Amino acid sequence: QQQVKQSPQSLIVQKGGISIINCAYENTAFDYFPWYQQFPGKGPALLIAIRPDVSEKKEGRFTISFNKSAKQFSLHIMDSQPGDSATYFCAAPHTGRRALTFGSGTRLQVQP
Amino acid sequence: EAQVTQNPRYLITVTGKKLTVTCSQNMNHEYMSWYRQDPGLGLRQIYYSMNVEVTDKGDVPEGYKVSRKEKRNFPLILESPSPNQTSLYFCASSPLGRGGYEQYFGPGTRLTVT
Repeated sequence: QQQVKQSPQSLIVQKGGISIINCAYENTAFDYFPWYQQFPGKGPALLIAIRPDVSEKKEGRFTISFNKSAKQFSLHIMDSQPGDSATYFCAAPHTGRRALTFGSGTRLQVQP
Repeated sequence: EAQVTQNPRYLITVTGKKLTVTCSQNMNHEYMSWYRQDPGLGLRQIYYSMNVEVTDKGDVPEGYKVSRKEKRNFPLILESPSPNQTSLYFCASSPLGRGGYEQYFGPGTRLTVT
């Protein structure tokens, strides 16, 4: 079964700091790698996604770095804010079917 | 407003009592999917559908059924629920052209089976 390993499981960052979440995948299809953000009591929502032929994508304070040779990608949140406190999921395109394989999630707490 | 709706939002039931969780989307998306979310395991796909009358298994299909008779609806059926199906369930939809990565999730259904 395809796996995506996500770390850390939880993360506490001070306001204004940088939050970094890492993911590693096994085999994958050649398609977008998304990150989802989930607030308590809500469904996940697409935050940002990157194509595998690009090494970095930035949207505001959020940046995805992609290392195809190492089969790793990460999410960086610059100038972290208390409103960023949520659970973050990385995902990789499934090889066997049109689907996403999600990581186990990272619970981020940004302290004021 | 573009959205995915699920009902009920909360459900407590007993082992063996058949139940259905409904899912509906108003975005005319071809692709729909069901996930379960458990602590430390992330989101695991149960079933998905690429279009009307086309459904297929995800990673954890045992104990679940689905149907896709209309494009907008994708109900999840538990014929004989068991306690290990206690979980948080999400329905999602996606336009096929986006390769399935841009998924729109419903608000979730928290199911407890006693």
